[in-house]
Amino acid sequence: NAGVTQTPKFQVLKTGQSMTLQCAQDMNHEYMSWYRQDPGMGLRLIHYSVGAGITDQGEVPNGYNVSRSTTEDFPLRLLSAAPSQTSVYFCASSYSGGVSYEQYFGPGTRLTVT
Amino acid sequence: TQLLEQSPQFLSIQEGENLTVYCNSSSVFSSLQWYRQEPGEGPVLLVTVVTGGEVKKLKRLTFQFGDARKDSSLHITAAQPGDTGLYLCAGAGSGYALNFGKGTSLLVTP
Repeated sequence: NAGVTQTPKFQVLKTGQSMTLQCAQDMNHEYMSWYRQDPGMGLRLIHYSVGAGITDQGEVPNGYNVSRSTTEDFPLRLLSAAPSQTSVYFCASSYSGGVSYEQYFGPGTRLTVT
Repeated sequence: TQLLEQSPQFLSIQEGENLTVYCNSSSVFSSLQWYRQEPGEGPVLLVTVVTGGEVKKLKRLTFQFGDARKDSSLHITAAQPGDTGLYLCAGAGSGYALNFGKGTSLLVTP
């Protein structure tokens, strides 16, 4: 059981470039999320999905797109990278039962935009 | 957005000392979770508290959920260097999205 996996682990982009951060989970969790973590800002929710084909915006969605074609995968697309998107990105999944929505996080992708 | 405030923001203590970290909000949460994050890794769930007044123990860590379900505390007894990390609280409201506090960075030196 690999849990939540993310690739790449590190990435450097130039302003204006686009890229996709990959996220996969093998726990058959219905819910998946993308967060960004910046110093002094904590974890902020970018987008989330409550099942295949269903996505919704979180607190900071601008500049990012997501899609959920399968239960396992939840890629995050940066359309035109900006220096303000320099951050550490975490993907997380959780099961749909109960009221707690406990998150299982991946190891993160550290992105630098120059 | 339901804000969660954590205090203190930073804490540096010697091995063997006790400490308490606080997580406060003006909002009511259906449950509250505590995570620990080590450098270069993702957060890992420590505990979930659901009932007001609930106390849970995890070895030397004691977690408490306030009676009104608006606040929580994490107490560590006899801290060890392995306890070093960023401690995050997260509250669940009516929907799926969790609200995270900004974290307490703990350093325990031998």
